[in-house]
Amino acid sequence: GDSVTQMEGPVTLSEEAFLTINCTYTATGYPSLFWYVQYPGEGLQLLLKATKADDKGSNKGFEATYRKETTSFHLEKGSVQVSDSAVYFCALSDRGGNQFYFGTGTSLTVIP
Amino acid sequence: DTAVSQTPKYLVTQMGNDKSIKCEQNLGHDTMYWYKQDSKKFLKIMFSYNNKELIINETVPNRFSPKSPDKAHLNLHINSLELGDSAVYFCASSQGQRSYEQYFGPGTRLTVT
Repeated sequence: GDSVTQMEGPVTLSEEAFLTINCTYTATGYPSLFWYVQYPGEGLQLLLKATKADDKGSNKGFEATYRKETTSFHLEKGSVQVSDSAVYFCALSDRGGNQFYFGTGTSLTVIP
Repeated sequence: DTAVSQTPKYLVTQMGNDKSIKCEQNLGHDTMYWYKQDSKKFLKIMFSYNNKELIINETVPNRFSPKSPDKAHLNLHINSLELGDSAVYFCASSQGQRSYEQYFGPGTRLTVT
């Protein structure tokens, strides 16, 4: 079945460091891919999305490119801030049905 | 205006009790979900409703019963609460069954003692 695998955390970075959180997926067909962010004590919020191969989603300095050849959707940010400290979830939407799959989440802590 | 709201935000109760969590969305979406997030932040879908009809019912104990009185509401009733039910429960909604983008509520932290 479809699934999402993302790198385990926790990840701790210094402010202004480069961030990469890896995400790979398994799917039949052509899914849509998402990154959600969960700030402490809050619900998940959509951060960015890509609906077809080679699309790049971007928001708040974060980017991720839908790579069909490597079945990946890695999240990147060039310079993280303390306010980026959160848990990040990669997710997949199955176009053929009603399923929505989340990765296990990666906790990011940015220290000043 | 809150898009997806849940009540209560915190719920502390004893084993064996029955409790309900309510969810409402004002986005006009036709699909709503319940998720359970454990202490390690692992997120698991429990139920999904589209136009008041159940479309996803993952393997959860039948002590959990969702109820959708209309498209804007999806409540979760839990009977005979157990220690292992302690978690944060999130409601979410989306437009269409294909779940392209989901909007989450703030969560309900359930603690069973």
